[in-house]
Amino acid sequence: DAKTTQPPSMDCAEGRAANLPCNHSTISGNEYVYWYRQIHSQGPQYIIHGLKNNETNEMASLIITEDRKSSTLILPHATLRDTAVYYCIVRVKEGGGNKLTFGTGTQLKVEL
Amino acid sequence: DSGVTQTPKHLITATGQRVTLRCSPRSGDLSVYWYQQSLDQGLQFLIQYYNGEERAKGNILERFSAQQFPDLHSELNLSSLELGDSALYFCASSVTESSTDTQYFGPGTRLTVL
Repeated sequence: DAKTTQPPSMDCAEGRAANLPCNHSTISGNEYVYWYRQIHSQGPQYIIHGLKNNETNEMASLIITEDRKSSTLILPHATLRDTAVYYCIVRVKEGGGNKLTFGTGTQLKVEL
Repeated sequence: DSGVTQTPKHLITATGQRVTLRCSPRSGDLSVYWYQQSLDQGLQFLIQYYNGEERAKGNILERFSAQQFPDLHSELNLSSLELGDSALYFCASSVTESSTDTQYFGPGTRLTVL
C-alpha cells in the first residue's frame, strides 16, 4: 500500500469546518483512499473512502486532487465529539491483501 | 455501534498465562480481521479469516493463534503471555475478502499482563 503523510496534530474551533490533509504522492491508479478515526482507544470508525471523484456522506466530505497525490477530509461543522485521531489509508483495489495499514494519523482537537 | 462485538472488554492476567479473545462479526459478514494496538507500535494487522479459512497473516507472533468457527465468530488465542503483549486487541469484519470492502471495527479488548 502507498505511504501516506499526515500532520501529527490540528486544532479546530467548534462549529467550524475541520480540513484534514493527507499526502499520498506514490498512490497508484487502482488504490483507494480510506479515512478512519479513533476516538480515545475506541475501535476505529470508518468515515469515508474514494478513488478519484470527490465523495460526501453524512459524516464528511472527501476531496481528492486531480493527480490523486493528496486528499482532504472535511468535517463541515466540527463538534467536541469529533476530537479523535484521524487516519488516512491507501488500499489497493484488487489483490495486495485486505489488511489496513495504519500510520500515526492526525490528532484533531476540537475546542470551544 | 458498528455491529461487531468483542468480549471481554477488559482482561487482566499474569505473565505465562493463556487467554482467549472472542469476536462476533456483523451479521452477514464473512471476513474477520484481528489488529493489535500497543503504545509503541500503533495499530497493526495480525491475521485475517474468511469463511473459516485463514487468508492473510501480518506480524502475528507464534504464541498467538486464531480461528474462525462455522457460525463465523472468531477467537484469538494468546499464550505464554509477556508484559509486552499488553495492548488493545481489535476485531474487524467485512462482507467479503475483497480488498475494497469496508472493514468495521469492534470496541476492542484491553489486555493487561502483569
